[in-house]
Amino acid sequence: GAVVSQHPSWVICKSGTSVKIECRSLDFQATTMFWYRQFPKQSLMLMATSNEGSKATYEQGVEKDKFLINHASLTLSTLTVTSAHPEDSSFYICSARWTNYEQYFGPGTRLTVT
Amino acid sequence: GENVEQHPSTLSVQEGDSAVIKCTYSDSASNYFPWYKQELGKRPQLIIDIRSNVGEKKDQRIAVTLNKTAKHFSLHITETQPEDSAVYFCAARKVQGAQKLVFGQGTRLTINP
Repeated sequence: GAVVSQHPSWVICKSGTSVKIECRSLDFQATTMFWYRQFPKQSLMLMATSNEGSKATYEQGVEKDKFLINHASLTLSTLTVTSAHPEDSSFYICSARWTNYEQYFGPGTRLTVT
Repeated sequence: GENVEQHPSTLSVQEGDSAVIKCTYSDSASNYFPWYKQELGKRPQLIIDIRSNVGEKKDQRIAVTLNKTAKHFSLHITETQPEDSAVYFCAARKVQGAQKLVFGQGTRLTINP
């Protein structure tokens, strides 16, 4: 199966600082990657769709200036949470589409903003 | 847009019994339906999927059925084991283009020994 890695697995930062999360497809090229946010005991909420070499498409209600997404290559997408606040604390998960069908998830990044 | 409803939200079964989780979708154009298993604090793992050109797919103790007319699909787990305890999510999407997966609300499955 396809492998998606994510780094870091957890991060603690102070309010007002920025945090970058990396998502990599290790054994395949992903033209499309997705960023999700998941609160405890809830479903996955899609934040944005990232296509290599083009601007990300954000879901309604997601601030594009706060959650910066860069998909610089076919194997790497990054999410930067800018000026983080405690309410941004969450579990962030990336996902990459391997074929036209299967979509695989990274291990997630637990962000805590103090 | 697509909307996926999943039931039940929690399910508790005795070890060895079967578990069934049901989902309905709204967009008749959706043609790909994966199921994911997520253990606490871990990534969702694709466990089985079905495309709209088939009505049933089985992989060992796991099976998925699809009724396109009624727009619902179900996950069946037989001979449940404690390691089946997790949250299960169904999803649906159209394969054409960069269409996004729409997830159900999740079902917390507990297998009682």
